[in-house]
Amino acid sequence: EPEVTQTPSHQVTQMGQEVILRCVPISNHLYFYWYRQILGQKVEFLVSFYNNEISEKSEIFDDQFSVERPDGSNFTLKIRSTKLEDSAMYFCASSDGQYSNQPQHFGDGTRLSIL
Amino acid sequence: GQNIDQPTEMTATEGAIVQINCTYQTSGFNGLFWYQQHAGEAPTFLSYNVLDGLEEKGRFSSFLSRSKGYSYLLLKELQMKDSASYLCAVRLNQAGTALIFGKGTTLSVSS
Repeated sequence: EPEVTQTPSHQVTQMGQEVILRCVPISNHLYFYWYRQILGQKVEFLVSFYNNEISEKSEIFDDQFSVERPDGSNFTLKIRSTKLEDSAMYFCASSDGQYSNQPQHFGDGTRLSIL
Repeated sequence: GQNIDQPTEMTATEGAIVQINCTYQTSGFNGLFWYQQHAGEAPTFLSYNVLDGLEEKGRFSSFLSRSKGYSYLLLKELQMKDSASYLCAVRLNQAGTALIFGKGTTLSVSS
């Protein structure tokens, strides 16, 4: 079964540094998403991406964050000037989007630890 | 704001049936999803409801009442591997838009 893949599985970074989290969505999917989950808390929506542009973003997704689809397969989340509170599990998801009953499929996540 | 409520924890024994409730008060509604999440892993899709009523899928069933802002996930013939968090998520708008998650219900199944 096709799946969403994310790399790296774990990223440790010094506060203030920039990180790029990478995702390969399911190949025929059109919508891509980033969510985060701080340890012990709920999954929170960050951003959705369609047709090479951001289609929706939450209040969390401020100027510190950016997303890009640099080629036909990868989808990245960049976090600039990382802060301690950015430590979380970051999930990439993708969906067909064409039919409302099609779910979002999640990758295994990248655990980001800011020191 | 968006409000999705679930019980924090539930316990049950192998072979039993458990019902996990979810109530929501959101600015929009275009479907309710249930996901299973094992500790440290990705959420995996279980079920989807957009119309009132019951959707059955093997050992799992999900029910929706839009007028009451209420859903439940029913798990039958519980197995140890069903120990996980169960996440209720509402999609506010059309397909391809954000899911708003509840905090999840941690289910512990004992023998």
